[in-house]
Amino acid sequence: DVKVTQSSRYLVKRTGEKVFLECVQDMDHENMFWYRQDPGLGLRLIYFSYDVKMKEKGDIPEGYSVSREKKERFSLILESASTNQTSMYLCASSPRAANTEAFFGQGTRLTVV
Amino acid sequence: LAKTTQPISMDSYEGQEVNITCSHNNIATNDYITWYQQFPSQGPRFIIQGYKTKVTNEVASLFIPADRKSSTLSLPRVSLSDTAVYYCLVGDPSYASKLTFGTGTRLQVTL
Repeated sequence: DVKVTQSSRYLVKRTGEKVFLECVQDMDHENMFWYRQDPGLGLRLIYFSYDVKMKEKGDIPEGYSVSREKKERFSLILESASTNQTSMYLCASSPRAANTEAFFGQGTRLTVV
Repeated sequence: LAKTTQPISMDSYEGQEVNITCSHNNIATNDYITWYQQFPSQGPRFIIQGYKTKVTNEVASLFIPADRKSSTLSLPRVSLSDTAVYYCLVGDPSYASKLTFGTGTRLQVTL
């Protein structure tokens, strides 16, 4: 089974802190995604990577950056966390040949206080 | 990616068939239609994908008319455990593009 693992299930950080959310997949997928999910807003794409060191902005990239130094790992970085970044963050991966069949991690519920 | 429109919510009783329709008027020739299911506090899970006519697996059926401007996810004899949010996506699976989810359809199944 494909496994997408997010480093933390729950995280509490202070305003202004630099926050790293890590995601690892074990199926050699080319594509990886970071979403945030808020009540009533569905899943919104933050960033997308289709290869190592390649990234594209999603719909809401402001306040975030990403890093993909290795194929299996995709990190989401909050340079200076703010309370409006309190959310559920979901990582996903997919093979390039079947881009629309993505596999998701369990999510990280981040609270910024 | 083609934009999709689906109902915000639906209610059903246990044992009934549920049909959730998704509208995607500007679907492109190479686009496939994919449905995901999400339970509370979990990431979405792939359910089914199709290009045209009908696709069936052990979980659901997907009906796509000839013009492909809409699709219907059919869940046979739902149970309480089918209570979830269902998302419809349209995109080209051979092209490395961002996957855009909408707000989905919240299905509530009751006794």
